Amino acid sequence: EAGVTQFPSHSVIEKGQTVTLRCDPISGHDNLYWYRRVMGKEIKFLLHFVKESKQDESGMPNNRFLAERTGGTYSTLKVQPAELEDSGVYFCASSQARINSPLHFGNGTRLTVT
Amino acid sequence: GENVEQHPSTLSVQEGDSAVIKCTYSDSASNYFPWYKQELGKRPQLIIDIRSNVGEKKDQRIAVTLNKTAKHFSLHITETQPEDSAVYFCAAGLGGTSYGKLTFGQGTILTVHP
Repeated sequence: EAGVTQFPSHSVIEKGQTVTLRCDPISGHDNLYWYRRVMGKEIKFLLHFVKESKQDESGMPNNRFLAERTGGTYSTLKVQPAELEDSGVYFCASSQARINSPLHFGNGTRLTVT
Repeated sequence: GENVEQHPSTLSVQEGDSAVIKCTYSDSASNYFPWYKQELGKRPQLIIDIRSNVGEKKDQRIAVTLNKTAKHFSLHITETQPEDSAVYFCAAGLGGTSYGKLTFGQGTILTVHP
């Protein structure tokens, strides 16, 4: 089966610009998560979708971040306007809609804000 | 919220030696503890996990132990090989329908010298 795919793999933007990251989960996975790793620190939870609904967005840093999952398939994470501290690796992960289903991660998008 | 501390941050061993990585967590409600391995430029991959009703789990050269009373869990890799070199992350979560919402440790860079 195809894994979780993320696009782009790298993005370099200037402070104040907008960037949109995309995640395609494994087909049939209702659960979709966004995580972020900043500056070699821990991987931090951002939010969780169940199909098209936001189940938990407690990890979103602020209102410059907007995540969507229209139709319950792929998801986008938009940062607008980007700040220097937004630099890091953004991971998407998905899992099946059953208890104890493990997470499958994508390769991540490395975002650099200059 | 949950807090996970991981040690050491870097670990260097000779091929054939054992490697041990330790994590502590703060939330006694956590009952799911996965370990992820991330090779350079690749996605984090689940290598082993343990649930709170089990004290130890082994899969070939990899084992994980859990002490719920002390709130710590450890990853043991025996007979290390150069291909074990990677960043290892421990994580803790509530399990159940929140299976994919994990709190990660800071990561351990393991280097296995031939």
